[in-house]
Amino acid sequence: NAGVTQTPKFRVLKTGQSMTLLCAQDMNHEYMYWYRQDPGMGLRLIHYSVGEGTTAKGEVPDGYNVSRLKKQNFLLGLESAAPSQTSVYFCASSAGTGVNEQYFGPGTRLTVT
Amino acid sequence: QQQVKQSPQSLIVQKGGIPIINCAYENTAFDYFPWYQQFPGKGPALLIAIRPDVSEKKEGRFTISFNKSAKQFSLHIMDSQPGDSATYFCAASPYSGGGADGLTFGKGTHLIIQP
Repeated sequence: NAGVTQTPKFRVLKTGQSMTLLCAQDMNHEYMYWYRQDPGMGLRLIHYSVGEGTTAKGEVPDGYNVSRLKKQNFLLGLESAAPSQTSVYFCASSAGTGVNEQYFGPGTRLTVT
Repeated sequence: QQQVKQSPQSLIVQKGGIPIINCAYENTAFDYFPWYQQFPGKGPALLIAIRPDVSEKKEGRFTISFNKSAKQFSLHIMDSQPGDSATYFCAASPYSGGGADGLTFGKGTHLIIQP
């Protein structure tokens, strides 16, 4: 039981490039989330999904897109990376049935130059 | 607008001392208050959580105190150990939504326990 996994662990992009971050969970959780963590800012919610085929915007959605084609996977896309998107990205999941205990992945460190 | 304010930003305590981290919230719809612990290079992990129907919850050496009227809650670590050195985040969400809105996090407290 791997819990929540994220790929890649590290990535360096040039401004304007695109990439997709993959999150996978093996706990059969309904809800999945993408957060970004910046120094002194805590974690901020980017997008989330309450089930396969559904997504919604969080606190800081601009510049990102997401997809949840399979229940176990949640993809975060950057279409045209900007230096302001340099951050550590965390995926999380929760059962979603009235319990909000969220399980986090190990994170992806993204640098945009 | 920061909905969960956490203090202090950093804290240094001697081994065996009791570090206290405080959080205050504004949104009266919040009714689930977890604390997360994060070690360098790792994702946050749930430490302990409370709902406002109780004023205190203990799990091992970790205690949450909750003051609903003041809209404040705090984490106490009893008999602190160097292994407790980490960044601690408080968070909040509406419980009834079952997590549909995600968690709103404080900015974190970097805790160092000196041997």
